[in-house]
Amino acid sequence: SAVISQKPSRDICQRGTSLTIQCQVDSQVTMMFWYRQQPGQSLTLIATANQGSEATYESGFVIDKFPISRPNLTFSTLTVSNMSPEDSSIYLCSVPPPRGYNEQFFGPGTRLTVL
Amino acid sequence: AQKITQTQPGMFVQEKEAVTLDCTYDTSDQSYGLFWYKQPSSGEMIFLIYQGSYDEQNATEGRYSLNFQKARKSANLVISASQLGDSAMYFCAMRENTGFQKLVFGTGTRLLVSP
Repeated sequence: SAVISQKPSRDICQRGTSLTIQCQVDSQVTMMFWYRQQPGQSLTLIATANQGSEATYESGFVIDKFPISRPNLTFSTLTVSNMSPEDSSIYLCSVPPPRGYNEQFFGPGTRLTVL
Repeated sequence: AQKITQTQPGMFVQEKEAVTLDCTYDTSDQSYGLFWYKQPSSGEMIFLIYQGSYDEQNATEGRYSLNFQKARKSANLVISASQLGDSAMYFCAMRENTGFQKLVFGTGTRLLVSP
């Protein structure tokens, strides 16, 4: 299974500021997924990050608010821009399983609180 | 479009008893995968079990089994011999085996195991 790490694990930020979340995988993967989980809610996909191309955003999420970088096959960042209290969530990255496997694993998450 | 429905916001079970968490899904794809994840209060997403749409046998992983009824489009999770540590949120998810292979999640069921 892939080992996925995220930084920071948690943060408290002021409204109007931006936070960049890092996701590191111990193996090369084509796609990386970024999810958001608002308090008491389920997980919602923000975008899919492919190496070498622009990220594909889901309905309701825009690049200006959640810019994503994917500089190589093991790393991605998600920035939450111009934050408001509504952005307080857990942000998780995930990668698809290797060929021949089915399990899909998640990073430990970044718990963000915006004041 | 894919949709996952979990109709039980909360479930209670006594230690050592079995419990079934319900999940129904909707998809027009023939090839898909169904997942169950456990999310303790720490926020991490723990993979429990996977069922492929073409698998004829119900999946089992230790105390977890998946009651897969394809015609009814249901994929219920059965936890046998519940333990106090099973208290958590449980999410059902589906992945279509085409395109970006993203996961779509249900709203979750909170399970509380009592002594």
